Amino acid sequence: GQQLNQSPQSMFIQEGEDVSMNCTSSSIFNTWLWYKQDPGEGPVLLIALYKAGELTSNGRLTAQFGITRKDSFLNISASIPSDVGIYFCAGDTGANSKLTFGKGITLSVRP
Amino acid sequence: GAGVSQSPRYKVAKRGQDVALRCDPISGHVSLFWYQQALGQGPEFLTYFQNEAQLDKSGLPSDRFFAERPEGSVSTLKIQRTQQEDSAVYLCASSFQTGGTYEQYFGPGTRLTVT
Repeated sequence: GQQLNQSPQSMFIQEGEDVSMNCTSSSIFNTWLWYKQDPGEGPVLLIALYKAGELTSNGRLTAQFGITRKDSFLNISASIPSDVGIYFCAGDTGANSKLTFGKGITLSVRP
Repeated sequence: GAGVSQSPRYKVAKRGQDVALRCDPISGHVSLFWYQQALGQGPEFLTYFQNEAQLDKSGLPSDRFFAERPEGSVSTLKIQRTQQEDSAVYLCASSFQTGGTYEQYFGPGTRLTVT
């Protein structure tokens, strides 16, 4: 089946640093979404991307929909302690509305 | 406004018991999705409703899993004769758009533990 690849599994940064994480696929997706999940909670939508090449910002977050439609990246600038959590990318082929998720990247921020 | 709510938040079942998990979507959202999230993994699609119609149930792992949304609002995911491998977090999401996924908003999930 389709898979989204996120690596590394964990990232450790210093407060105030920028961090970038990407997501790749062997299949084309029509929509890319980035979610953040805290322990014991459901994923919270951060950014949605609908067009190849699209660059979208939400506060300190910026995400891009890759030109090939097979990748996306998320950048967090000036990290703060509350950025800690698991970041998932998700894609939709547009065929039947279901989302395919990556395995997530666990972000730790050192104060 | 209120987000997606799920109940119960935690459920412990003995192997072989039936369980029912409830999802209340955001008011007005016509699309409703169920996902299963194993520990350390991303959510995996189970099934999708548009209003009361179940349009895709390709992700349901076995015929022990059944979902319904009879009035196009609240949905129930039922698991019959639970097995240990059913232990996971079950997430519900809703979306306003009907033609594509667009923005899916998730509830807090129900953590099911089968002993």
